[in-house]
Amino acid sequence: QKEVEQDPGPLSVPEGAIVSLNCTYSNSAFQYFMWYRQYSRKGPELLMYTYSSGNKEDGRFTAQVDKSSKYISLFIRDSQPSDSATYLCAGVRGVTGGGNKLTFGTGTQLKVEL
Amino acid sequence: NAGVTQTPKFQVLKTGQSMTLQCAQDMNHEYMSWYRQDPGMGLRLIHYSVGAGITDQGEVPNGYNVSRSTTEDFPLRLLSAAPSQTSVYFCASSRQETQYFGPGTRLLVL
Repeated sequence: QKEVEQDPGPLSVPEGAIVSLNCTYSNSAFQYFMWYRQYSRKGPELLMYTYSSGNKEDGRFTAQVDKSSKYISLFIRDSQPSDSATYLCAGVRGVTGGGNKLTFGTGTQLKVEL
Repeated sequence: NAGVTQTPKFQVLKTGQSMTLQCAQDMNHEYMSWYRQDPGMGLRLIHYSVGAGITDQGEVPNGYNVSRSTTEDFPLRLLSAAPSQTSVYFCASSRQETQYFGPGTRLLVL
């Protein structure tokens, strides 16, 4: 079983829709969670990170963590065609000496259509 | 700041050849790491470094070597390339919770 599971999609929504992207995880040692956006043939771009259970909001993006069910979500409000990308979730563990190890899901491909 | 830079952008190798993927960052981050990204597998950690002179293995280290002589640079070496190493390679650097990725190197091993 992978430590972080993510539905690969593709997920297609109309412009303006609310998008829900989800991951599940199995490793209780993850200290916090991150969401990245990756455009085609580009490097991952950090969107948000969140430590505890509950919601964290940044503009049109809301990250949600439910540690009791090991469930991570990213909501995108008022989705735009420019949001079309692959979204990666990751669980994070610290390493001795500083820094952090990320364990990624496989990514969900999102397409926002006009 | 240029952030994290990687060279080359694309490389074709023959089986058995060696090469070094370059990674540099100008953010004075102590922690740097290398990932590979394959379809259906996501990003997987190859090696990481918590500072100059200190490196450690990640999830998929076999076939790769690293060294860290300066804070800025973290090269990844393939000593004898194999077709299974065909992938997109990303370097990342971080401070605290934020981890920044480079643009990637696409490697094709024939």
